[in-house]
Amino acid sequence: AIRMTQSPSSFSASTGDRVTITCRASQGISSYLAWYQQKPGKAPKLLIYAASTLQSGVPSRFSGSGSGTDFTLTIRSLQSEDFATYYCQQCYSYPWTFGQGTKVEIK
Amino acid sequence: EVQLLESGGGLVQPGGSLRLSCAASGFTFVNYAMSWVRQAPGKGLDWVSAISGSGNSTTYADSVKGRFTISRDNSKNTLYLQMNSLRAEDTAVYYCAISSGFYSNPFDYWGQGTLVTVSS
Repeated sequence: AIRMTQSPSSFSASTGDRVTITCRASQGISSYLAWYQQKPGKAPKLLIYAASTLQSGVPSRFSGSGSGTDFTLTIRSLQSEDFATYYCQQCYSYPWTFGQGTKVEIK
Repeated sequence: EVQLLESGGGLVQPGGSLRLSCAASGFTFVNYAMSWVRQAPGKGLDWVSAISGSGNSTTYADSVKGRFTISRDNSKNTLYLQMNSLRAEDTAVYYCAISSGFYSNPFDYWGQGTLVTVSS
């Protein structure tokens, strides 16, 4: 199975900050990478797919980049509603696998 | 509006069985692959199983292979997960999720989840 490793596992940030989360795949996955946001007690929500394509309705402050094994999720100016846990997921080959998550907390 | 409503969760003893359902609406059910993804309390996301739109193709995580069976009834717009020989480590919130295709597509929408607790 392809292992997905996110970093950092958690961090604190302030509203207005630019934040970057990285995701590394244990083998090349082309651009078959998605990012999800999950808030406590809620289901995950798709933010970005194909590494850099913004899902409909997702604010443009979110962006994704990368291909092969290294990927990033960037939030240009953190808003209060963005404090959540973020997961990357590869859909290159079964079994689908997720990163361990990155929790973004309020500083 | 896409809606996915899971049901069937609850408390079951180790070795027991449970069947989860996911009732779908707001989209053409047969055109979408479906998956089950679980999340143990306080832990990350763990993909369990997937089924193609027609139901002809299925795949499972190694951790559940031989114990869980995914199926769908396209006439009822409903996805199922039959879980047998349950273990404590199967305790989790189980989400159903849809994908535009069986291969290489992310999870576009998720249900709200149903909690399965395996304990004596």
